[in-house]
Amino acid sequence: EPEVTQTPSHQVTQMGQEVILRCVPISNHLYFYWYRQILGQKVEFLVSFYNNEISEKSEIFDDQFSVERPDGSNFTLKIRSTKLEDSAMYFCASSQEDSGANVLTFGAGSRLTVL
Amino acid sequence: GESVGLHLPTLSVQEGDNSIINCAYSNSASDYFIWYKQESGKGPQFIIDIRSNMDKRQGQRVTVLLNKTVKHLSLQIAATQPGDSAVYFCAETGGGTSYGKLTFGQGTILTVHP
Repeated sequence: EPEVTQTPSHQVTQMGQEVILRCVPISNHLYFYWYRQILGQKVEFLVSFYNNEISEKSEIFDDQFSVERPDGSNFTLKIRSTKLEDSAMYFCASSQEDSGANVLTFGAGSRLTVL
Repeated sequence: GESVGLHLPTLSVQEGDNSIINCAYSNSASDYFIWYKQESGKGPQFIIDIRSNMDKRQGQRVTVLLNKTVKHLSLQIAATQPGDSAVYFCAETGGGTSYGKLTFGQGTILTVHP
């Protein structure tokens, strides 16, 4: 069964450092997403990406964050100048379409720990 | 702001029992609802979905019920198995936003005892 692959599975960084989380979406999917889940809290939408541009973003997704599809397979989330409160599980997801039949496939997540 | 929430944070059942997990939503414009299962160390896994023009949908051992009058969603799991132990999230979307922009509920921890 096709799956969304995320790397690294766990990253520890110092406050103020930049991190890049990587995702390989399902190959025939066209819509890509990042969500995050702070420990013990609900999963929150960050950003959606289609046709090489951001289609929607949440209030959380401020100038500290950016996304990129550098090639035909990878989809990255960059967090500049990380803060303690950025510690969370970050999930990448992809879908084939954006309709009422939309089903997102999530990756296993990248755990970010900011010290 | 509008949100999706769950009535019960934890649910413990015996193997073989039926489980019912509930969810209340407040955005009456949402027209698509999904249940996800999240096991420890994994991402949310799709279980079943339902559109707002339906009130019931059945899958394999799972049934989702939607009551738009009271804005309530439930997930029924028949003959619950230890492998069903996980956190279950409801999510809503649609109603003018991108369908990929999901609003998740808080989650219910389901524990199945052998």
